[in-house]
Amino acid sequence: GAVVSQHPSRVICKSGTSVKIECRSLDFQATTMFWYRQFPKQSLMLMATSNEGSKATYEQGVEKDKFLINHASLTLSTLTVTSAHPEDSSFYICSAETGRDTEAFFGQGTRLTVV
Amino acid sequence: GENVEQHPSTLSVQEGDSAVIKCTYSDSASNYFPWYKQELGKRPQLIIDIRSNVGEKKDQRIAVTLNKTAKHFSLHITETQPEDSAVYFCAASRGTGGFKTIFGAGTRLFVKA
Repeated sequence: GAVVSQHPSRVICKSGTSVKIECRSLDFQATTMFWYRQFPKQSLMLMATSNEGSKATYEQGVEKDKFLINHASLTLSTLTVTSAHPEDSSFYICSAETGRDTEAFFGQGTRLTVV
Repeated sequence: GENVEQHPSTLSVQEGDSAVIKCTYSDSASNYFPWYKQELGKRPQLIIDIRSNVGEKKDQRIAVTLNKTAKHFSLHITETQPEDSAVYFCAASRGTGGFKTIFGAGTRLFVKA
């Protein structure tokens, strides 16, 4: 199957700082990537749909200015959590489509802890 | 908006028994229904999927059924094993082309040895 790599896998940052998470499709071009947030023992909540070369589409209730998404190439999308606060601590995970399959391929996820 | 409901939230079975997880979706345009298994701290892994032109699909101990009229789909795991213990998510999507996948709330399956 297609491979999606997410980096970093874990990050601890101080309150008020920004953190960038990368999502890369290693062996295919992904015109669309998705960013999810998962709290402990809960489901994956879609945050935004990232489209290469255009602005991301955010889900209702997700702050665009706080969660900046950039999809500058067909193999890379980034999520930047700006001015992070402890309540932003969560598991963030991306997925990407090959365009051929309907299956979504997930990155390994990033556990963000804001202290 | 689109919604996927999943039941039960927790399921405990004896090793060797069957487990059934049920989901209902709201978007009638959904045509792709994957099931994912997620172990603690890891990424979801696709275990089986079904498309709307098929009513049932089986892969060894795992089977999925789809009732488009009722907008229901179910996951069946037979002869459960301790390594089947994980969280299972159902999902619904309109397919490729940038359509988002909506996930159910998840079912925590415990298989007791």
